[in-house]
Amino acid sequence: QKEVEQDPGPLSVPEGAIVSLNCTYSNSAFQYFMWYRQYSRKGPELLMYTYSSGNKEDGRFTAQVDKSSKYISLFIRDSQPSDSATYLCAMSASYGNNRLAFGKGNQVVVIP
Amino acid sequence: DVKVTQSSRYLVKRTGEKVFLECVQDMDHENMFWYRQDPGLGLRLIYFSYDVKMKEKGDIPEGYSVSREKKERFSLILESASTNQTSMYLCASSSNSGTDLSQSSYEQYFGPGTRLTVT
Repeated sequence: QKEVEQDPGPLSVPEGAIVSLNCTYSNSAFQYFMWYRQYSRKGPELLMYTYSSGNKEDGRFTAQVDKSSKYISLFIRDSQPSDSATYLCAMSASYGNNRLAFGKGNQVVVIP
Repeated sequence: DVKVTQSSRYLVKRTGEKVFLECVQDMDHENMFWYRQDPGLGLRLIYFSYDVKMKEKGDIPEGYSVSREKKERFSLILESASTNQTSMYLCASSSNSGTDLSQSSYEQYFGPGTRLTVT
């Protein structure tokens, strides 16, 4: 079983819809959770960072972590065409180990 | 702004050639990484380095080597390129300067990628 599972299927939504993305993981030592956004022909950029369980909100973006279920989510409210990108979840087990475990990424297309 | 640059955006090489991919970061980061990204497989770590002249194997090191002679530069070497190494190659860097909870301890900054085609 891969450490981080993310269904890579593309997602198309109309502008203004809520986008919901999620990842599951198997390593209970993961404590640091991230979402990266990657635009076409660019490298990934960090979008959201969360430590342990709970929610974090930043503008239209909300990241949720449920460590008991080993499940993390990213919600994008009022989606815009500029949100069209690939979203990758990433996680890490311990401080000082900068190595990240990545999901495969979800391609999101927001249709105007 | 952190900047990670990669020597080429697109590269076409022949089977058996030795290929060098260069990555330079300008933020004095200790850690540097090489990934390859393939459709349906996501990002896979090839090699990483915690310090000058230090290197660690990632998940798929076979067929690759790396060199880190200076802190800002991390090179990926394909000793004898093969068609199954056709891929997008991404370099990243990160810092050790944050606390155990701070975002900066885990954030990796990526370059724009090099799309390598081996024919």
